[in-house]
Amino acid sequence: DAKTTQPPSMDCAEGRAANLPCNHSTISGNEYVYWYRQIHSQGPQYIIHGLKNNETNEMASLIITEDRKSSTLILPHATLRDTAVYYCIPRAGGFKTIFGAGTRLFVKA
Amino acid sequence: DGGITQSPKYLFRKEGQNVTLSCEQNLNHDAMYWYRQDPGQGLRLIYYSQIVNDFQKGDIAEGYSVSREKKESFPLTVTSAQKNPTAFYLCASSSSLAEGPYEQYFGPGTRLTVT
Repeated sequence: DAKTTQPPSMDCAEGRAANLPCNHSTISGNEYVYWYRQIHSQGPQYIIHGLKNNETNEMASLIITEDRKSSTLILPHATLRDTAVYYCIPRAGGFKTIFGAGTRLFVKA
Repeated sequence: DGGITQSPKYLFRKEGQNVTLSCEQNLNHDAMYWYRQDPGQGLRLIYYSQIVNDFQKGDIAEGYSVSREKKESFPLTVTSAQKNPTAFYLCASSSSLAEGPYEQYFGPGTRLTVT
C-alpha cells in the first residue's frame, strides 16, 4: 500500500475554497485515490475517488497530478459543517482501507 | 432510508465482562467490516467478512470475535481477553470485494467504555 503524507491541520475561512493536499509518491498503477472525512464522533463519510483523471461530484473536486504522485481535494465553498478530519487513501482492490492521521480542517466564520 | 445502524451509541461495561456491539445494514452489501479508533488516531481493522458465514482477522483481532449468520448483520463481541477495550468502534460495509475497490459506508459508531 502506498504511504501518504498530509498536513496535520489546516484553516479555511467560511465561503472560501478549501484545498487539501496529499502526497502519495509511492502509489502503484492500480491504486485509486480515495478521500473520506470524519466529523467529530461520527463514522467516516466517503467523499470522492479517482484513478488518473480529475473528478467532481456534488461534494468536492479531486485533482490528481499527471504523475499521480499527489492529489488535492477541493471543497469549493467551505461551510462550518465541513470542519472534520480528511483522509487521503490510495487503494486497489481488496479489503484494506488504511486510515492514517489525516488532515484536520477547521472552517472559521 | 438505506444505511448502517450501530447500537447502542454509548456502552459502559465493567472489566471482565464480554460485550456485543450490533451492526446492521440494509444496503445489500456483501462485505462488512469492524474498525477500532482510539482518540486522535486513525482507524484500525479488527475483522472483515466478504460473505455470509465467512470472516477474516484484520490487524488487531486479538480479544475480539465476530459472526456473520445473515448478510445484514455483523455483530462484534469484545471479550474479557481484550486488554484495552475502551475505544470508538465503527462498522462499515461495501459491495463485493471481488471486483473492488468499492467505497465503504460507515455506521455512526459505538463508544465503549470499560472500567
